[in-house]
Amino acid sequence: DAGVTQSPTHLIKTRGQQVTLRCSPKSGHDTVSWYQQALGQGPQFIFQYYEEEERQRGNFPDRFSGHQFPNYSSELNVNALLLGDSALYLCASSLVGQGTGYTFGSGTRLTVV
Amino acid sequence: DAKTTQPPSMDCAEGRAANLPCNHSTISGNEYVYWYRQIHSQGPQYIIHGLKNNETNEMASLIITEDRKSSTLILPHATLRDTAVYYCIVRPQYGNKLVFGAGTILRVKS
Repeated sequence: DAGVTQSPTHLIKTRGQQVTLRCSPKSGHDTVSWYQQALGQGPQFIFQYYEEEERQRGNFPDRFSGHQFPNYSSELNVNALLLGDSALYLCASSLVGQGTGYTFGSGTRLTVV
Repeated sequence: DAKTTQPPSMDCAEGRAANLPCNHSTISGNEYVYWYRQIHSQGPQYIIHGLKNNETNEMASLIITEDRKSSTLILPHATLRDTAVYYCIVRPQYGNKLVFGAGTILRVKS
């Protein structure tokens, strides 16, 4: 049973560019959340998607946007990249109404130069 | 979600019990205590959660004080592979997001 799969694992972008990160949730899960983790800090919640809609959003600018597809997979898009966007981006999946924990992927390491 | 306070780091000898404390004095009645850990270069991993009763699973035990203002995660026989950052999170059981603090860096030493 595959867990959460994220792609790519690493990438390097230039300031001002746009990036798309992808996430496939764990089998049976229908909710996807995205987190940003700067070096040495805990993950910070970006947003959550359920039924192809953004359900909750953290304190991130509109440059961060997302999408969820009918097969529950999700994308995170970041426009006009800044150096400060360099971080590990984590995807977590869960089943709505299930009180137990989220399953996290290993993340995408984004470096903005 | 209530805030939590954890020590920044702890050491533990391999084979001994690791006891990781967490203070959550502002916890409300519908909030659960969750523990996750993050091993280097991996995503966070769910360990255990509880409301007011002590809980145990194959990974760890969770002890919550009677007033629910603090809790302790216990790894009964720590191994080198338990070296990680451990996060204590307080949230409603069906809440949407996880609010991570800085966590506790646990170093298990041989």
